[in-house]
Amino acid sequence: DTGVSQDPRHKITKRGQNVTFRCDPISEHNRLYWYRQTLGQGPEFLTYFQNEAQLEKSRLLSDRFSAERPKGSFSTLEIQRTEQGDSAMYLCASRNIQETQYFGPGTRLLVL
Amino acid sequence: GNSVTQMEGPVTLSEEAFLTINCTYTATGYPSLFWYVQYPGEGLQLLLKATKADDKGSNKGFEATYRKETTSFHLEKGSVQVSDSAVYFCARGLLTGGGNKLTFGTGTQLKVEL
Repeated sequence: DTGVSQDPRHKITKRGQNVTFRCDPISEHNRLYWYRQTLGQGPEFLTYFQNEAQLEKSRLLSDRFSAERPKGSFSTLEIQRTEQGDSAMYLCASRNIQETQYFGPGTRLLVL
Repeated sequence: GNSVTQMEGPVTLSEEAFLTINCTYTATGYPSLFWYVQYPGEGLQLLLKATKADDKGSNKGFEATYRKETTSFHLEKGSVQVSDSAVYFCARGLLTGGGNKLTFGTGTQLKVEL
């Protein structure tokens, strides 16, 4: 069990650029979640996959955000035309059948 | 609505002091409840959980009891250490569409001093 990994750990970009983050869940977990955490706040749910199917999306996930999990293993989260308000920590979690979500270290995004 | 409320920080304690971090929740049904801890520069780590009323979760000397009558899940530790300094998040799981997305409180920063 190597845990949930995320790449990159840090990303600095200019406003208007596109960014893509990757999450590799724990191998036997079929459920994968994305959350966003801003400074001083708790994580907020963005979206959820069961295998390759995206089953739920938060209203926080604007049209500029898209997430995929093409083979039911790793997932990507893309933000198009980034805005300064997108600056946050993006967290990925995967879940086992006992309902516990295990989190990765996060990708910290800074939009200049 | 469905939410989680936890006491604001920072909480500053001396080593070996008793810790309580209050957490209350609102939800329909019977959610699972969790405490996660975030050490500086790291991701969230599960500290403990409880899945039904009167369950007590415990780990590393921390405890929390699922109280349905008061809709609370307060975190306690009898004797804190400097290494416990971190941000603690209370969370509830809500089954929607087959998922179990978590709703978090805003976090409580704990500082333990010698």
